[in-house]
Amino acid sequence: EPEVTQTPSHQVTQMGQEVILRCVPISNHLYFYWYRQILGQKVEFLVSFYNNEISEKSEIFDDQFSVERPDGSNFTLKIRSTKLEDSAMYFCASSEQDLGNQPQHFGDGTRLSIL
Amino acid sequence: GNSVTQMEGPVTLSEEAFLTINCTYTATGYPSLFWYVQYPGEGLQLLLKATKADDKGSNKGFEATYRKETTSFHLEKGSVQVSDSAVYFCALSFKAAGNKLTFGGGTRVLVKP
Repeated sequence: EPEVTQTPSHQVTQMGQEVILRCVPISNHLYFYWYRQILGQKVEFLVSFYNNEISEKSEIFDDQFSVERPDGSNFTLKIRSTKLEDSAMYFCASSEQDLGNQPQHFGDGTRLSIL
Repeated sequence: GNSVTQMEGPVTLSEEAFLTINCTYTATGYPSLFWYVQYPGEGLQLLLKATKADDKGSNKGFEATYRKETTSFHLEKGSVQVSDSAVYFCALSFKAAGNKLTFGGGTRVLVKP
């Protein structure tokens, strides 16, 4: 069964540095998402992406964050000037359609640790 | 805004016990409802879904019924196994909200042999 893959599985970065989290969505999917889960807290929506542009973003997704689909397969989340509070598990998801009832398929996540 | 509330865990059960995880939601309109499961060290996997009132989602022995009148989507399984130990997340989405998922806080379930 096709799956969403995320790399790396664990990223350790010094505060203030930039990180890029990578995702390869399922190949025929058109809608892409990033979520994060701070340890012990809820999974929170960050951003959705369709047709090479952001569809919606949460208030968490400020100027520190950006997303990109640099080629036909990758979907990346860039975090500039990382802060301690950016430490979290980041999940990428994709779905085939945007009908509200189509399931999103999640990757295994990247654990980001900011030191 | 939209929100999902789940019973807090951890829920500890013996094998073959009956499992219920309560989930209620607050939303304007009628969302699609989902249960996702996260096994240790893995990502979120869709367990089941329901897209309209009175729909019953089912998978792997788990069931949940979309109850509009009580705005609930409780998850049940009649006889749990050790392999069901995981964190379970209730979630909703609306097409009008870009299909983004709004999650509950998750309920950790531990099944002991």
